[in-house]
Amino acid sequence: GQQVMQIPQYQHVQEGEDFTTYCNSSTTLSNIQWYKQRPGGHPVFLIQLVKSGEVKKQKRLTFQFGEAKKNSSLHITATQTTDVGTYFCAGHSGTYKYIFGTGTRLKVLA
Amino acid sequence: ETGVTQSPTHLIKTRGQQVTLRCSSQSGHNTVSWYQQALGQGPQFIFQYYREEENGRGNFPPRFSGLQFPNYSSELNVNALELDDSALYLCASSFQTGPNSPLHFGNGTRLTVT
Repeated sequence: GQQVMQIPQYQHVQEGEDFTTYCNSSTTLSNIQWYKQRPGGHPVFLIQLVKSGEVKKQKRLTFQFGEAKKNSSLHITATQTTDVGTYFCAGHSGTYKYIFGTGTRLKVLA
Repeated sequence: ETGVTQSPTHLIKTRGQQVTLRCSSQSGHNTVSWYQQALGQGPQFIFQYYREEENGRGNFPPRFSGLQFPNYSSELNVNALELDDSALYLCASSFQTGPNSPLHFGNGTRLTVT
């Protein structure tokens, strides 16, 4: 079945450093969404990418969808302590469901 | 705008028992999806309901069942609880069933099976 993997599993950075998480799907996706889950919280929608090669920015966050629509990345510039949490990608392959990735847990050291 | 609400927030059950979890979808949303999130893992899709019908199902056994009501609220029922059912159960509502619909999650129900 469809699988969505993320790397790295964990990332510790010093405040101010950059952070990137990568998402890879075993199948071609119709779109991909990114969510952030704070410790003890629930996933919160960040953004959706639909087009091949699409790049979107939200302040310090840059999201990219691969040309083959099988991979995606999230890059955070100059991390802050408020960026702490687990970042999930969720791929949609045209069926009724989103498949969530394994997540990347980010810790930011002040 | 009312967000997604789930009840109860925490629950402790014994192996073999049955449990019902409840979810009220965000106003204006007609689709509800249920996810199971084990500790340190990503959410795993259980099933989705649209217009009171099951619209799709993940790799979960039949003892996981659900309902959706005319007001789009939903229930998740789990029979014959097993220890591995201990997890955070998340309900997510969306405006429609297909892609391009962000999922709006509730705070979840933490189920512990002993």
